[in-house]
Amino acid sequence: AQTVTQSQPEMSVQEAETVTLSCTYDTSENNYYLFWYKQPPSRQMILVIRQEAYKQQNATENRFSVNFQKAAKSFSLKISDSQLGDTAMYFCAFMKHRDWYVGSNYKLTFGKGTLLTVNP
Amino acid sequence: DGGITQSPKYLFRKEGQNVTLSCEQNLNHDAMYWYRQDPGQGLRLIYYSQIVNDFQKGDIAEGYSVSREKKESFPLTVTSAQKNPTAFYLCASSYRYEQYFGPGTRLTVT
Repeated sequence: AQTVTQSQPEMSVQEAETVTLSCTYDTSENNYYLFWYKQPPSRQMILVIRQEAYKQQNATENRFSVNFQKAAKSFSLKISDSQLGDTAMYFCAFMKHRDWYVGSNYKLTFGKGTLLTVNP
Repeated sequence: DGGITQSPKYLFRKEGQNVTLSCEQNLNHDAMYWYRQDPGQGLRLIYYSQIVNDFQKGDIAEGYSVSREKKESFPLTVTSAQKNPTAFYLCASSYRYEQYFGPGTRLTVT
């Protein structure tokens, strides 16, 4: 079974600064997907960024980027130029590559989350 | 606008009563899911459905039931057998490996 660990229950950062959220996972799979989801105070889950394990290049979405270290099973999220609207709970999640095929179990495994507060 | 709707946003029930949470999507996605979220916890999978008239238990299915009679709808019933039903419930649907979430329902049982 897969496990996802987020070791930082809470973090804070000053507006306009950079912050990195940590995530480690445990799996025997070689092909998989990793995700970061954001849950603001509204509690709407929003996909922030996705990384395919077979891609060596780290994914980037505007101010959000990841540092994917496959051998170390590490998947950290870097938020640059932090904004007040980035205040949210951030969840790291794992999915086996074959899990999205029709007939398989589509399972996302989530970490427990990191509460990020951006201070003015 | 395409999306996932969950109703109601807040739901209150007395202990011993069954309650049904609604989830509707107009994204034309085949797969749908129900998650439970508790404070300090990630999301835990209750049930999922890959196609109409088929569904599978997730990690914490005890005390819950679902149906999938239409592609657009995946209601979740929280039965009186669920020992700790008070939680935030999230519905999702997926296209390939990306899951899209509804706004959630906060269920309080007293």
